[in-house]
Amino acid sequence: DGGITQSPKYLFRKEGQNVTLSCEQNLNHDAMYWYRQDPGQGLRLIYYSQIVNDFQKGDIAEGYSVSREKKESFPLTVTSAQKNPTAFYLCASERGLPNSPLHFGNGTRLTVT
Amino acid sequence: DAKTTQPNSMESNEEEPVHLPCNHSTISGTDYIHWYRQLPSQGPEYVIHGLTSNVNNRMASLAIAEDRKSSTLILHRATLRDAAVYYCILRDEISSNTGKLIFGQGTTLQVKP
Repeated sequence: DGGITQSPKYLFRKEGQNVTLSCEQNLNHDAMYWYRQDPGQGLRLIYYSQIVNDFQKGDIAEGYSVSREKKESFPLTVTSAQKNPTAFYLCASERGLPNSPLHFGNGTRLTVT
Repeated sequence: DAKTTQPNSMESNEEEPVHLPCNHSTISGTDYIHWYRQLPSQGPEYVIHGLTSNVNNRMASLAIAEDRKSSTLILHRATLRDAAVYYCILRDEISSNTGKLIFGQGTTLQVKP
């Protein structure tokens, strides 16, 4: 079955460490997105990529970095510069055509202590 | 970006219809109305979208007001599995940020047996 996979489901890190969240899709989608969700809140866009080797900052990119070397993969690195990294991180992809729906992974819950 | 307003929460009884409202008074002519829902600890799931005409699919119906300043997502027979947060989102396909969605806080739907 085609889908979008995020791993791991839960991740624990010490403050000051960088951590990379994985996102892989086998839907042949061009566009991929990273969102952050805090408890009781909606989703906020961190980074997005509409094509391989290109990506754009979203609304809250500070303290995060991404790469898009392959169409299938869009990893997110949470750096030590991110002041409040503990959150639920969601990756999504879409075909990039008008009104194509976003397909979301089931998220990675990151806890930094 | 145009914004949407939804009630924070709603309740429904199982097997009864549910009408989830959304106000978007500043909608532009090129904005499509999209609905997603998010079950606990999962990524959002696409439900339906429309521009001007009412839309139906296997999950729900979307009723759009004639002036497009409001819309209603209709679940015809609520089940316990429909308990989720429902997001109403405006999506502009013409802008350079195609595909960039803005998620608000949504409506938390509780379904009582």
